[in-house]
Amino acid sequence: EIVMTQSPATLSVSPGERATLSCRASQSVSSNLAWYQQKPGQAPRLLIYGASTRATGIPARFSGSGSGTEFTLTISSLQSEDFAVYYCQQYNNWPPGGFTFGPGTKVDIK
Amino acid sequence: QVQLVESGGGLVKPGGSLRLSCAASGFTFSDYYMSWIRQAPGKGLEWVSYISSSGSTIYYADSVKGRFTISRDNAKNSLYLQMNSLRAEDTAVYYCARAGRAFDYWGQGTLVTVSS
Repeated sequence: EIVMTQSPATLSVSPGERATLSCRASQSVSSNLAWYQQKPGQAPRLLIYGASTRATGIPARFSGSGSGTEFTLTISSLQSEDFAVYYCQQYNNWPPGGFTFGPGTKVDIK
Repeated sequence: QVQLVESGGGLVKPGGSLRLSCAASGFTFSDYYMSWIRQAPGKGLEWVSYISSSGSTIYYADSVKGRFTISRDNAKNSLYLQMNSLRAEDTAVYYCARAGRAFDYWGQGTLVTVSS
């Protein structure tokens, strides 16, 4: 099974600042990597797929990069609605490994 | 617009059973693979099961294999998860999700609580 790790666990950022979130896979997942945003009490929302392609309706301030085992989600200028938990997820190693999520990075207000 | 609405959650005793449903609308359901994903209280996301568009190909996480059964009815635009031999560690919000480009649409989730 591919293990996904994310760092940091919590990121404290001021509105308007840039946020950089990291995701690492225990083995290569090529570009089969997605990022999701989850706010309290809500379902996750797809932000990025294919490591760098924004999903429908996602603002341009969200960008993804990386391939293989190292990935980054960048939020260029944090808005109040961006404070949330962010998960990465690989969809390269299936079957039988399944789809694995990282543990999440919480972005909170500094 | 794409909508996924889960139902069927509730409180069940350990060893009991529950059947979750997910009603889909706003897209051609029979064209898409679908999944169930769960989230234990205060925890992260865990993929549970996956079914192909026709229902002919199915996968499960090891944690639920042999206890849960995913199915779909394309005529009713519905996805199901039959959960048997439930354990306390199955307590979670269960989401159905469309497997398009990654999991591109999610329902609001239904809470399953396994407790005596």
